[in-house]
Amino acid sequence: AQSVAQPEDQVNVAEGNPLTVKCTYSVSGNPYLFWYVQYPNRGLQFLLKYITGDNLVKGSYGFEAEFNKSQTSFHLKKPSALVSDSALYFCAVREGKSGGGADGLTFGKGTHLIIQP
Amino acid sequence: EAGVAQSPRYKIIEKRQSVAFWCNPISGHATLYWYQQILGQGPKLLIQFQNNGVVDDSQLPKDRFSAERLKGVDSTLKIQPAKLEDSAVYLCASSLNWFTETQYFGPGTRLLVL
Repeated sequence: AQSVAQPEDQVNVAEGNPLTVKCTYSVSGNPYLFWYVQYPNRGLQFLLKYITGDNLVKGSYGFEAEFNKSQTSFHLKKPSALVSDSALYFCAVREGKSGGGADGLTFGKGTHLIIQP
Repeated sequence: EAGVAQSPRYKIIEKRQSVAFWCNPISGHATLYWYQQILGQGPKLLIQFQNNGVVDDSQLPKDRFSAERLKGVDSTLKIQPAKLEDSAVYLCASSLNWFTETQYFGPGTRLLVL
C-alpha cells in the first residue's frame, strides 16, 4: 500500500523569506510524486510533478520540489514567499508502472501555509 | 481550454435521502476519477473510469454509492441512502490518459448531510 506523510499541519513564513513544506512517501516500485494547492472553496490546482529525471523539479508560481530517493522525500520549496501563496498544500503519490490500470493518487492530509506580511 | 466542470457546487440533504453529483471532464480526457475529501483530510479515491469502463472501485462503498460514465464522457456519482459521515467535498478529476499522469481537478461539490 502507498502512503504520504505531511508532518506539519501548518507552516508560518514571513513574506520574502524562503519556504519549505515537507512530504515523505512510501510506495512499492518507482514513485510518481505530485504537489497540489487548494484555495478556499476551490478544487485542487496542479503545481508540479516528479516522474523521472532531474531530482529538482520546477513548477507553477515559482515553486520547486526536490526528490530525494534515499530519504523518500519530496519537499516543496520557494525562494521568496508571497502573501498570495497562503493556501492548503497537498502532496500525493502513485506507483509508476507501465501498462494501463489503476492510477489513483494517494494524498497526504495537507499543510496549511500561512505567509505573514 | 475549459476545465473540469461539476454541479451542483453545494448540496444539503437529510440522512437517508439520495443525492447525485455530475461531472464533465476536460474535452478528450479518457480517464475520470471521483475523490471524497472529508474536512481536515486529503482526498481519497472512490472510483476511476477509463472511457466508460471501471478501472478501480475498491474504495467505493458499494452498498450506498454508485457511479456511471455513459458514453465515456460525463459521469454521475450517486449516494443512496446518505449517512451523516458522507458529509464531504466530492471532487472529480480527469487526465488525458494514464500516460499523461497529471490529474486535473474540478471545483468540487460540497455535501452536507443533516
